[in-house]
This record gives sequence, C-alpha cells and structure tokens, in this order.
Amino acid sequence: AQSVTQLGSHVSVSEGALVLLRCNYSSSVPPYLFWYVQYPNQGLQLLLKYTTGATLVKGINGFEAEFKKSETSFHLTKPSAHMSDAAEYFCAVRLQTGANNLFFGTGTRLTVIP
Amino acid sequence: ETGVTQTPRHLVMGMTNKKSLKCEQHLGHNAMYWYKQSAKKPLELMFVYSLEERVENNSVPSRFSPECPNSSHLFLHLHTLQPEDSALYLCASSQGPDPTTDTQYFGPGTRLTVL
Repeated sequence: AQSVTQLGSHVSVSEGALVLLRCNYSSSVPPYLFWYVQYPNQGLQLLLKYTTGATLVKGINGFEAEFKKSETSFHLTKPSAHMSDAAEYFCAVRLQTGANNLFFGTGTRLTVIP
Repeated sequence: ETGVTQTPRHLVMGMTNKKSLKCEQHLGHNAMYWYKQSAKKPLELMFVYSLEERVENNSVPSRFSPECPNSSHLFLHLHTLQPEDSALYLCASSQGPDPTTDTQYFGPGTRLTVL
C-alpha cells in the first residue's frame, strides 16, 4: 500500500527565505510523485511531478523537488519565498501502473512573514 | 469556461434533504474523480469513472451516489447525510491512460455543510 507523510502541518518562513516542505512516501514499488498547491477557497493546482528521468524536477512559480529513492523522499523547495506562496501544499503518490489513484499527505500550510 | 468547474461552490443542507453536486470538465479528458477533503485528514478518493464507467468505489456510504452521464459531466447525489459528511468535495479529471502523462486536474470544490 502507498502512503505519504508530510512532516510539519505548519511551516513559517520570512519573505525571501528558503522554503523547504518535506514529503516522505511508503510504497512497495517506486511510485510517481506529485506536489499540489491549494490557495484559499480554491481547488488543487499541480506544482510539479516526477515520473521518470531526471530526479530534480522544476515546477511552476519557482518551485522544485528532488526524488531521492534511497531516502524515499520528495521534498519541495524554493530558494526565495514570496508572499504569494502562502497556501497549503500537498504531496501525493500513485503507482506507475494500474488506476490513477492518488494517495495524498495531510498537507502543509505555508505562512510567509513579511 | 476552461478547466474543471463545480457547482454550487457552497451548500448547506439538512440531514433529510436531497441535493446534488455537479462537476464539468472542459479539457476533453476521459476520467473523472470525486474526493472528500476534511480538516486535518488526507484527501479521500471516493469514486473514479473512466469512459463513463465506475472503476473505483472506496467503500463510500450509500448516502453518496455518483452519476457520470458522459465524459464531461459528473454528479454526486446526496441523501440523508450526517454532520460528519461536512467537508470540501473536490472533483478532478485526467486524460488517461499513459501513466507518465496522466495528471489529475482539480476543480475549486463545493463546501458542504450538513446541519
């Protein structure tokens, strides 16, 4: 079975500081990995995803994430936080084959302090 | 209208009411999904439809009844709900079937409150 753990339900950073949101997964086989962002009163928007190839993936809004198989991690980073980055971030996994069933973490709420 | 739309955006209902949530995707996708998002819990997949046929039902109570009349529309019919069913209900769609490109796109959700 697949599962996702997001360490830290709330993360606060100062504007301009590094953003690091942690995601670890559990899967019997290497999964596909996703980060979604949810702004207030909106649905989830795909930030980036890893399927195959380069383990460092770049997404929208300056975010990137690195797949580390040995650590079963897919942490999300951004070098410099912007006020507009304040939102809730969800990590998700799915199997490489079979149905497109996403398994989500519980989310991390990012606050950016001016 | 583009992307995935959901109506209504907010719904308040009593436990004896019958209501329906509507989802429409304008992306030409073949699969549609219903998720439940409750506070402090992971998103829960409720139903999956592929080419208008239900392919997944994650043990959802029968008071939730999905309907997919065509590949662009998805409904969630609600009947005799409980207060614990209050949540944000999200619809998503995806193209399928290539897993490397099969990304789910989400609507804005319907905030449901059951009194």
